[in-house]
Amino acid sequence: QVQLVQSGAEVKKPGASVKVSCKASGYTFTSYYMHWVRQAPGQGLEWMGIINPSGGSTSYAQKLQGRVTMTRDTSTSTVYMELSSLRSEDTAVYYCARGVSAAVDYWGQGTLVTVSS
Amino acid sequence: EIVLTQSPGTLSLSPGERATLSCRASQSVSSSYLAWYQQKPGQAPRLLIYGASSRATGIPDRFSGSGSGTDFTLTISRLEPEDFAVYYCQQYGSSPPVYTFGQGTKLEIK
Repeated sequence: QVQLVQSGAEVKKPGASVKVSCKASGYTFTSYYMHWVRQAPGQGLEWMGIINPSGGSTSYAQKLQGRVTMTRDTSTSTVYMELSSLRSEDTAVYYCARGVSAAVDYWGQGTLVTVSS
Repeated sequence: EIVLTQSPGTLSLSPGERATLSCRASQSVSSSYLAWYQQKPGQAPRLLIYGASSRATGIPDRFSGSGSGTDFTLTISRLEPEDFAVYYCQQYGSSPPVYTFGQGTKLEIK
C-alpha cells in the first residue's frame, strides 16, 4: 500500500532553516510527482511546490521563491523540503503528498515545524 | 493567479440532509483540473473528487462533484455523521505549474 512517512517535529529559531523528509513506499517512486503543502494553525491549506522525482525538476509557489528548495534521493525513495530564513509565520504542519491527475491522492502524516525565539 | 472562493464559510446541517458546497474561481478553470478534499481535525486531507466530477478510490457515491468554467459544486446527498469536516477545493494551472486551494468550508452538525 502507498505510504508517505515524514520526519518528526522540529523547533527552530527565526532566521534558521529546516529540512523535512518524506519517504515513499508502495509504488514506483519516479512515476509520480510529489507536492508539499502546509497548514498554519487553524488555517487553510497552502501549496508550496512540486518536484518530479524522476528528473528532479521543481516548481515553487511564487510567495516562497528563493526560500524553499525541494530535492529527492531516488536511491531511498525520499523527497526533501528545505525552508530557509524562517519566521514565525512559517509555523505550520508541513505535508508531502503524491500528485495524480492534477490533484493529490496520498498524503504524509504531517510534520509540525514551530518557529519561535 | 487564480483565486478560489468557497461558500459558505460554515454550513450547519443535520445528518440525513443534503449539503451543497460552492467553489468559485476568479478565472475559468479546466474541469480536468478541479479537485475537492475533506479534512477532519488532526488528520491529513483526503481526496474526494478529481477532474471536477470523478470520485477518488473508495469514496462513497453520496459525494458528487459538478460544474465548469468558474463555478463548481460539491454535493453530499445525505449527510452521515462522519461527513462533518472541512472541505477544500483545489485547482491546477499550468505554465508554470501552480496549485491553489480555496479557503475551505466547515460543515458542522446543526
